[in-house]
Amino acid sequence: QLVESGGGVVQPGRSLRLSCAASRLILSRYDMHWVRQAPGKGLEWVAVTSFDGNKKYYADFVKGRFTISRDNSKNTVSLEMNSLRAEDTAVYYCARAPCGDCTWFDPWGQGTLVTVSS
Amino acid sequence: QSALTQPASVSGSPGQSITISCTGTSSDVGGYNYVSWYQQHPGKAPKPLISDVSIRPSGVSNRFSGSKSGNTASLTISGLQAGDEADYYCSSYTSSSTYVFGTGTKVTVL
Repeated sequence: QLVESGGGVVQPGRSLRLSCAASRLILSRYDMHWVRQAPGKGLEWVAVTSFDGNKKYYADFVKGRFTISRDNSKNTVSLEMNSLRAEDTAVYYCARAPCGDCTWFDPWGQGTLVTVSS
Repeated sequence: QSALTQPASVSGSPGQSITISCTGTSSDVGGYNYVSWYQQHPGKAPKPLISDVSIRPSGVSNRFSGSKSGNTASLTISGLQAGDEADYYCSSYTSSSTYVFGTGTKVTVL
């Protein structure tokens, strides 16, 4: 299972760090993703880190503000979010690629809600 | 990175078949066989239905099938059931090594 944490209410311009931990699931061999969903809206892909952390890619709307990282020794993945905006308000899901070359997402965590508001 | 285009809503009667389209560009849907589909019920995390255009992950009903032609991928649900009422999203790998989701389709079972 994947479990996200770190969500909450934060003021615009501030920072927040999300974490994704795995139980009974190995993350170190697989790409890990963050996907978000604004209230009542669709899914948006946010970022991916390769299995070894050497490659990272971001959606244009978070590039330069968000940083994805992983600690394979702790079986965790993080998303550091800086310069937060109201439009970053969303449920943030972490998801694993189910195989080494897979380009889809399974499993998913239950999500953590980030609310950016003054 | 524009979202892939899906119809906002599709409906059908129990037992019928419906098809949801997902239109992108040659830089995503048309350029790779890396389209996946997800089902999401309210308040729940998405569940994968199809990977790599047409492959059903283990445990997914064979009532769900996927295909692709050019820049448009499709998800067909046959033998529509009440439990199929949900939101459906496509996703594609892109030429920038990123991913993009579709706009989402709400399926209603009449």
